[in-house]
Formats: sequence, structure tokens, C-alpha cells
Amino acid sequence: SAVISQKPSRDICQRGTSLTIQCQVDSQVTMMFWYRQQPGQSLTLIATANQGSEATYESGFVIDKFPISRPNLTFSTLTVSNMSPEDSSIYLCSVERTGVNSYNEQFFGPGTRLTVL
Amino acid sequence: GQQLNQSPQSMFIQEGEDVSMNCTSSSIFNTWLWYKQDPGEGPVLLIALYKAGELTSNGRLTAQFGITRKDSFLNISASIPSDVGIYFCAGSSSGTYKYIFGTGTRLKVLA
Repeated sequence: SAVISQKPSRDICQRGTSLTIQCQVDSQVTMMFWYRQQPGQSLTLIATANQGSEATYESGFVIDKFPISRPNLTFSTLTVSNMSPEDSSIYLCSVERTGVNSYNEQFFGPGTRLTVL
Repeated sequence: GQQLNQSPQSMFIQEGEDVSMNCTSSSIFNTWLWYKQDPGEGPVLLIALYKAGELTSNGRLTAQFGITRKDSFLNISASIPSDVGIYFCAGSSSGTYKYIFGTGTRLKVLA
């Protein structure tokens, strides 16, 4: 598995402001992912972040709104910019690791619970 | 984005009962993962499936990769109160690292 930490664990923010969420992994990983989980909903992939290259965004998500950094193989940040109440969600970082059967599995951090007023 | 259909959406069961839930897709997947999410926590990986027809157990949990590769099933035997949570399936197609997540099954266990 993987030990993943996120900061902050939760925050309450005013609309129009920005919040940067940090994700730290206990060992080097090639691929890191950022997901959004809206209240009572499933997980939706925002973007994939590889070290040394720009993040790849999924349909409906843009870099101006969700800029991502990946400065090294154990760390990434996601910024939620110019927030509105619709951005209130849990934001989850995940990493891909090779499991015991030599296939790739995804492991998640504890999430950042964001409330925008 | 695209989601997998899970059923049931929610379940209320008595402690000690067995639980079954499933996940269906219109697309073929090569990998199925099952997760459990407790309130305020991130999803925790329970079981991973890699071959059609594969049956894998993890303690009281058993999951199967459907023969058609378009569905997967999770069973929990002799449920206990700590089984409460939301269970998500996730599927991935060949040649991609991306997982699509199911809509979730909310499980409540009555003592």
C-alpha cells in the first residue's frame, strides 16, 4: 500500500479566494491523481500529475481553475482558484502502486474537506 | 464524468447477515477494484481483481470479476457494525491508468 497525507484536512473559505492542498507520499511514485468528491457523490478524476510534465486534465476541469504542481516524486499540490460554493467538496489525492500480483492499484489519501461560503 | 452503476444504492441489514452488492458497466474492464470509505476518510482498497471469472477473498469479503468483464460483485459475510460505510467499485480498461468509480453502496448495520 502507500502512506499518503494531505494538508489541510479541512477548511472553510470565502468565495473568490483560493486554497492550495498539499499531498505527500511516503515513497516515490510516478503517477499522482487528484479527485473531487461532491457531497454524497462518487469520485471524479480532476487530473493526473506526473513529475516533470504538465498535469493532464479531465473533461470539465481546466488548469486555470485547478492548477497543479508536481515538483518531485513524493509531493503534489492542487489549488482551487476563485472559489465558489459549488467547489465545496472533498478533494482526494491518490497514487498508483504495483500490487502483489504485479498489477497497478490506486491508494488514496484521507482527503481535504472544503467548504466555500 | 462517466460512472459505473452500483446496486443497491443503500442497505440496512442486521448484524450477522450476509451482504451482496454489484457494479455494472457498459464497457469492458480489465481491472476491478473495491473500496470502502468511512465518514471523513479517504477510500481504502479492499480487493483488486484482474482476470475475468476471478474470485478473490479478503477475510469476510469476497469479490468476483464477472465473466463478461462488464460487472463485478462484492459479498460480505456475517456483517459486523464496523462494516458500516460506503462501498465503491472502480474499473479500468486496458491501456489506461484511469479508474472510473461506481455510484457507491451505503451500508448500515443494525446491532
